Amino acid sequence: AQSVTQLGSHVSVSEGALVLLRCNYSSSVPPYLFWYVQYPNQGLQLLLKYTTGATLVKGINGFEAEFKKSETSFHLTKPSAHMSDAAEYFCAVSHSGGYQKVTFGTGTKLQVIP
Amino acid sequence: DGGITQSPKYLFRKEGQNVTLSCEQNLNHDAMYWYRQDPGQGLRLIYYSQIVNDFQKGDIAEGYSVSREKKESFPLTVTSAQKNPTAFYLCASSIDLRGTGKTGQEKLFFGSGTQLSVL
Repeated sequence: AQSVTQLGSHVSVSEGALVLLRCNYSSSVPPYLFWYVQYPNQGLQLLLKYTTGATLVKGINGFEAEFKKSETSFHLTKPSAHMSDAAEYFCAVSHSGGYQKVTFGTGTKLQVIP
Repeated sequence: DGGITQSPKYLFRKEGQNVTLSCEQNLNHDAMYWYRQDPGQGLRLIYYSQIVNDFQKGDIAEGYSVSREKKESFPLTVTSAQKNPTAFYLCASSIDLRGTGKTGQEKLFFGSGTQLSVL
């Protein structure tokens, strides 16, 4: 069984401030982890993913995430928020051989304040 | 440009009516999926298809039906048996990684969604 918990359904940051969106997962096997972004009234777009190897993963638009097995976490960060980062962010978990077994979190809406 | 096209953008369903949501992709992907998105609940898988003329139920298939007669198309019908159809519906596709040892790593490509509401 696997699950994803995203802490905070809404997060507000000032423009230029650090963005930190939290994701904790539960999986009985080594996980694959993903972050997707959804802009208003649009579909989701992959930001980054972790499969194996380097635990710090860099994605598009300056975002990165670090896989921490001991903490079962995969938090998403960006050093400096931009107005265009305002969107909803979804963490997701899968696993090897887990075809069509992607489990999505409930999402975190990021508001960027000018 | 390659991508996934969903139509219509907004759809209204009357009591007892079946409605069909369209999903077309020109990415040459073998796998296609339908997700339902409700506020605060994330995405839940309705149906998926790995190949033409074959599809599998996801976690919440009751009240829905699909077909996959062409590789490019994966329409979803919301039947009158679905008592709470109001939601945002997302179609997605991916390459098929079966046989590569990388299943589970698929990157999902999403359409822009259809908002279905009940009149």
